[in-house]
Amino acid sequence: DIQMTQSPSSLSASVGDRVTITCRASQSISNYLNWYQQKPGQAPKLLIYAASSLQSGVPSRFSGSGSGTDFTLTISSLQPEDFATYYCQQSYSTPRTFGQGTKVEIK
Amino acid sequence: QVQLQESGPGLVKPSETLSLACAVSGGSINSYYWNWIRQPPGKGLEWIGNVYYSGSTNYNPSLKSRVAISVDTSKNQFSLKLSSVTAADTAVYYCARGYNSFDYWGQGTLVTVSS
Repeated sequence: DIQMTQSPSSLSASVGDRVTITCRASQSISNYLNWYQQKPGQAPKLLIYAASSLQSGVPSRFSGSGSGTDFTLTISSLQPEDFATYYCQQSYSTPRTFGQGTKVEIK
Repeated sequence: QVQLQESGPGLVKPSETLSLACAVSGGSINSYYWNWIRQPPGKGLEWIGNVYYSGSTNYNPSLKSRVAISVDTSKNQFSLKLSSVTAADTAVYYCARGYNSFDYWGQGTLVTVSS
């Protein structure tokens, strides 16, 4: 299985901050990397697919980059509704695997 | 707008079989892959497996000996069976659409394994 490791596990930030979350794969996965946002009591929501493509309806303050083993999710200006847990997920091979999550909390 | 809705018992006894269904509305089940993903309370996400509308399946090797996913195109739904459950199988179970990324999700259903 491909292991996905996110950092940090949690972070505190203020509204308006630029936030960066990283995800590292245990082997090269090209650009087969997706990002999700999950709020308490809700299902995950797809934000970014294929490393850098913005899912329809997702605000442009969200962006993704990277290829190979290292990937980044950036929120350019954190909004109150962005406080949530974020997960990366690889689709290079089965089984599909997720990172452990990064919780973004209010500072 | 595609919608997915999980259904099934919220409580299953140890050693028994967990059975869930996912009804797809607002779109056809044809030409897509359909997934089961679970999340133990307070923990991360685990992909269980998927089924193509044709019936072909892929399973997580960690669960492969206990899991079966099937599709019923006439009812526009797909199902999960997980046998010989233990407390470690207690989780919120989600159904989701997609092969690489998962763009539509059900709201999730909590299944507790307890006697």
